[in-house]
Amino acid sequence: ETGVTQTPRHLVMGMTNKKSLKCEQHLGHNAMYWYKQSAKKPLELMFVYSLEERVENNSVPSRFSPECPNSSHLFLHLHTLQPEDSALYLCASSQDGQGQFNEKLFFGSGTQLSVL
Amino acid sequence: GQQVMQIPQYQHVQEGEDFTTYCNSSTTLSNIQWYKQRPGGHPVFLIQLVKSGEVKKQKRLTFQFGEAKKNSSLHITATQTTDVGTYFCAVPDLYNFNKFYFGSGTKLNVKP
Repeated sequence: ETGVTQTPRHLVMGMTNKKSLKCEQHLGHNAMYWYKQSAKKPLELMFVYSLEERVENNSVPSRFSPECPNSSHLFLHLHTLQPEDSALYLCASSQDGQGQFNEKLFFGSGTQLSVL
Repeated sequence: GQQVMQIPQYQHVQEGEDFTTYCNSSTTLSNIQWYKQRPGGHPVFLIQLVKSGEVKKQKRLTFQFGEAKKNSSLHITATQTTDVGTYFCAVPDLYNFNKFYFGSGTKLNVKP
């Protein structure tokens, strides 16, 4: 599936660097997510945006800063990261129908981040 | 947030053997979803279960939702090497339908 595109695919950064991850969805969805996947933990929900408004910040450290300028684009701004932040960062989207049941998530291919 | 326990963590089978992974929640769920992640890939949606006691099939895959809507299972009959990957269940937050919490996943390895 190419409905959700993430760039870059790989990123290596030092602890003092500032970088941004980008996600774009072409599915007409109105909810977007950032998930973190590391070897030792299951998929961790970081941020949720619905209709471009952040509806949830799952107690994520302030060194991660999301931005959702419109319903098709989502960014994750990174600064002064720690080595333990090295992980696969996955973007996902879904159709938020405000209904009783969840819509399925469509994931991008992820950005493999290494913090040195 | 919502938590769900998934077992086993790993499963190694010979091709042709069956495989089952289980998810358990301490609270009643409105629904549950299952995803598959191939090695080096990203999670891909498989199915959603909504009704109590629901059973759904996709070729060799059988998905069940418990009567109490607190547990679910994914069973693969006669595994093939193409089944290799990690299988995750995902459950919604009690109060926010936009939030999904994933189980720890079961990593399936199939030996040819």
